[in-house]
Amino acid sequence: DTGVSQNPRHKITKRGQNVTFRCDPISEHNRLYWYRQTLGQGPEFLTYFQNEAQLEKSRLLSDRFSAERPKGSFSTLEIQRTEQGDSAMYLCASSRGTGDNQPQHFGDGTRLSIL
Amino acid sequence: QKEVEQNSGPLSVPEGAIASLNCTYSDRGSQSFFWYRQYSGKSPELIMSIYSNGDKEDGRFTAQLNKASQYVSLLIRDSQPSDSATYLCAVNKITGGGNKLTFGTGTQLKVEL
Repeated sequence: DTGVSQNPRHKITKRGQNVTFRCDPISEHNRLYWYRQTLGQGPEFLTYFQNEAQLEKSRLLSDRFSAERPKGSFSTLEIQRTEQGDSAMYLCASSRGTGDNQPQHFGDGTRLSIL
Repeated sequence: QKEVEQNSGPLSVPEGAIASLNCTYSDRGSQSFFWYRQYSGKSPELIMSIYSNGDKEDGRFTAQLNKASQYVSLLIRDSQPSDSATYLCAVNKITGGGNKLTFGTGTQLKVEL
């Protein structure tokens, strides 16, 4: 298995700019998750896909955030009009689709810094 | 009350000792429980999963689950300096087709020579 792959690893941008992150899950995993983690906190759930369907979105995901998984493979997370508070590590995880208790495996994350 | 609670630490143990990490959760409907290890600046790495009451052992790691007390623990035997990391407890909430993890804030473990 190759693991979950995320790009870029780091993103530095000015406030107000748009950013897009990509996640490639483990190949046989049809469930994909996005989380956000800030310093000293555990990851917080943002959204979840089963294949191409986005099945759940957190209230943390404001209208500036959008996620897609158009072909049920890789996913993108876009943040529009970035704000200082968006600075965080954005983590992607994937899991098998059989049953509800499958462990989630995380990628290395994308660290976003807003200047 | 937080949904998943852990002591933030740091928990310091000498090399070779047993480290005991604890976690409580509030949702009685939670069905699966995971321990992740996270080194500074890195992403969480799955080390244990447990689904039913009792103990589950994997190498130096033992996870313990008590659903009646809403309590999960992780024991690390023969602790090594390389075990120094933050350990995150995660609980799976299954809601309307969703499948999200709720994490605690993590316990920092330091294994001292």
